[in-house]
Amino acid sequence: GEDVEQSLFLSVREGDSSVINCTYTDSSSTYLYWYKQEPGAGLQLLTYIFSNMDMKQDQRLTVLLNKKDKHLSLRIADTQTGDSAIYFCAESSHQGGKLIFGQGTELSVKP
Amino acid sequence: NAGVTQTPKFRVLKTGQSMTLLCAQDMNHEYMYWYRQDPGMGLRLIHYSVGEGTTAKGEVPDGYNVSRLKKQNFLLGLESAAPSQTSVYFCASSGQFSNEQFFGPGTRLTVL
Repeated sequence: GEDVEQSLFLSVREGDSSVINCTYTDSSSTYLYWYKQEPGAGLQLLTYIFSNMDMKQDQRLTVLLNKKDKHLSLRIADTQTGDSAIYFCAESSHQGGKLIFGQGTELSVKP
Repeated sequence: NAGVTQTPKFRVLKTGQSMTLLCAQDMNHEYMYWYRQDPGMGLRLIHYSVGEGTTAKGEVPDGYNVSRLKKQNFLLGLESAAPSQTSVYFCASSGQFSNEQFFGPGTRLTVL
């Protein structure tokens, strides 16, 4: 079945770049997402990318997609302490469809 | 707009008790979802609904039932709670042609 994998933890210093990686198995994935979860809260959509794109940039966020290797990454430039959260990768095969989530990567930003 | 709301926020049950979690959305969304979140396992889909009066099983449906009698509400029921159902439960909704699911704040359930 479909599977999405992420490493569980990442620690960076304030001001550095963070790179969170994700791999997925479903070759029919059409949409790939990054969600952010702050402590005690629900998930918020950060950004998403269509499978026919290689890259998407949105202010400090850069998403890279390697469809051949089924690898997705999220780069956060100039990481701030407010970026500390759990980041989830997710995939879907169609708009409005159910999402398959990775385990989440807990990002810790040290001053 | 309140977005997606969930009640209750916290609940403690004894094994064998039943309860219903309520999710409400005011965005006129067609699709609604129930997930559970467990440490190191991300979010797993329990049940979902693509419209009023319709429901479908997700990845981990056993031990749960759902109903979508009104478009704005999606209820998750536990008929006989088990300790394995201790988790944080999230409801989400999305438009039919949308790429974004909107999440509620979660319900923390403990089954003793």
